[in-house]
Amino acid sequence: GAVVSQHPSWVICKSGTSVKIECRSLDFQATTMFWYRQFPKQSLMLMATSNEGSKATYEQGVEKDKFLINHASLTLSTLTVTSAHPEDSSFYICSARQTVYLNSPLHFGNGTRLTVT
Amino acid sequence: GENVEQHPSTLSVQEGDSAVIKCTYSDSASNYFPWYKQELGKGPQLIIDIRSNVGEKKDQRIAVTLNKTAKHFSLHITETQPEDSAVYFCAARVADRGSTLGRLYFGRGTQLTVWP
Repeated sequence: GAVVSQHPSWVICKSGTSVKIECRSLDFQATTMFWYRQFPKQSLMLMATSNEGSKATYEQGVEKDKFLINHASLTLSTLTVTSAHPEDSSFYICSARQTVYLNSPLHFGNGTRLTVT
Repeated sequence: GENVEQHPSTLSVQEGDSAVIKCTYSDSASNYFPWYKQELGKGPQLIIDIRSNVGEKKDQRIAVTLNKTAKHFSLHITETQPEDSAVYFCAARVADRGSTLGRLYFGRGTQLTVWP
């Protein structure tokens, strides 16, 4: 089945530094990838939609200069949390669609636990 | 936009019993309804999905039903096992007009606990 790999699985960084999270579709091409943020015991909150070769579309309230998204190839999207602060600590999850068609299932990575000290 | 409501937020059952989780959606244009299982510290895993042209779908112990008229869909797990314990999320996807993005709208999740 479709596999989405996310790296790293956890990261601890100091306040003010930047952290990059990678999301790869291992056995399929993903024209579109989605980045979510999840707080403890809460649902997934969509942050942005990443399209290969074009600028990401951010949800209302998500700072695009703080959460930089790059989707340079059909198998890789990256999320960079710039100048991280403790309030950015969260579980970040990416997901990818297998084809460009609307009804393809969405598969998730295993998430990245970010802790900012 | 679409609004997905999910109930209950927590559900405890005895091993071997059935578990039912219900979701409602607001946008009649939604046409795809997946269910995800999320174990602690992991990303959501797709367990079953249903499209709007189908009323019911079954995969071994898991089944999903869809009532388009009432705009609700349900997840049914029979013969529950302790390893079914996890958080389950329902979601709905709207057929974006003029777009192929089709973002998912998630429910708030149900913590299912199966006691041995």
